[in-house]
Amino acid sequence: GAVVSQHPSWVICKSGTSVKIECRSLDFQATTMFWYRQFPKQSLMLMATSNEGSKATYEQGVEKDKFLINHASLTLSTLTVTSAHPEDSSFYICSARERGRVNEKLFFGSGTQLSVL
Amino acid sequence: DAKTTQPNSMESNEEEPVHLPCNHSTISGTDYIHWYRQLPSQGPEYVIHGLTSNVNNRMASLAIAEDRKSSTLILHRATLRDAAVYYCILRVNYGGSQGNLIFGKGTKLSVKP
Repeated sequence: GAVVSQHPSWVICKSGTSVKIECRSLDFQATTMFWYRQFPKQSLMLMATSNEGSKATYEQGVEKDKFLINHASLTLSTLTVTSAHPEDSSFYICSARERGRVNEKLFFGSGTQLSVL
Repeated sequence: DAKTTQPNSMESNEEEPVHLPCNHSTISGTDYIHWYRQLPSQGPEYVIHGLTSNVNNRMASLAIAEDRKSSTLILHRATLRDAAVYYCILRVNYGGSQGNLIFGKGTKLSVKP
């Protein structure tokens, strides 16, 4: 079945540094990818929607200059947390929708646990 | 966005069927009903989805009420590996939408041996 690979699985960084998270669709083309954030014991919160070759659409309250999203190809989207601070520590999850399948299921990555010291 | 209501938690015994309810009284005619589950420290996993008719797959069954205002996810024989948070989600389907998923709080299912 379709697989979404997310890397890294976990990362620890110092406050003020930037961290890049990659999300790849391994055996299908993903025109649209979604980025979520999840705090402990809470549900997933949609951060932004990225479409291949265009600017991402951010949800209300999500700073686009802090969470840079790039979707340069049909199989890769990246999320860069710029100038990370301890409050950015969270579980980040990407998901992908297969090209042409708007109403079908989403495939999720395994998540990235970010800890900012 | 159309919302769903699920019980916070449920318990089941291993090898017994489990019925997870979901209310979505404000569903629109083109919204799909999706179910995902999430194990600790993992990304969500697709379970099943449907529009109007009941659906079956190797993981579960989805029973949709005739008025579509509620649905039930059925696990026919719960195993310990089915312990997870189950999310019932309405997938919006209107002009300009990206078909994204808005997660609610879900139901935490515990399975006892």
